[in-house]
Amino acid sequence: QVQLVESGGGEVQPGRSLRLSCAASGVIFSDYAMHWVRQAPGKGLEWVAVISYDGSKKYYADSVKGRFTVSRDNSKNMLYLQMNSLRGEDTALYYCAKGLDSIWILPGYWGQGTLVTVSS
Amino acid sequence: AIQMTQSPASLSASVGDRVTITCRASQGIRNRLAWYQQKPGKAPNLLIYAASSLQTGVPSRFFGSGSDTDFTLTISSLQPEDFATYYCLQDNTYPYIFGQGTKLEIK
Repeated sequence: QVQLVESGGGEVQPGRSLRLSCAASGVIFSDYAMHWVRQAPGKGLEWVAVISYDGSKKYYADSVKGRFTVSRDNSKNMLYLQMNSLRGEDTALYYCAKGLDSIWILPGYWGQGTLVTVSS
Repeated sequence: AIQMTQSPASLSASVGDRVTITCRASQGIRNRLAWYQQKPGKAPNLLIYAASSLQTGVPSRFFGSGSDTDFTLTISSLQPEDFATYYCLQDNTYPYIFGQGTKLEIK
């Protein structure tokens, strides 16, 4: 059974940084692309970033490009999101999600999320 | 970036009804369209990918169709557990884009 557990959320001031983590279990982590998706309070879903199974390819939403960096450590079954220069509009519940399979890499299985609040 | 227009934003229906939700892409995305269901306080759940492929374990009353720019999600006979918010997602090109969501409520 796939399990994804996010951590690292919290309250942070605008302009500061935060690093989110996602621990994967029950899956051969290194076989799958991984995503970050966020949801502001009471709002819809926003795709944030994806990293390929081997970490060689990364893509970002325009809203976070240049500020956020996705990475992974396949030896530890861990996914990360380094968030710099945080803004109020980055306040959201951040989900990590595993690609469905090796061909269809869209988000297939989701964690329960970690909440990031950017406020002075 | 591709724009996704999802409609309606909200929908009231009764158990047993047939409902349809639509998503329109601002440019062609082949069949690279997925549908998710989200219940309050829960993570989204993938229902359909590749426009019409039913994810494992999803009831057959959920049906996806469409290609290029126009897509639909149909629920053939609403069950009480289907009242939730539904999102489309284009996964043809980066950045991936979600539709704005459709809240399906009990009439």
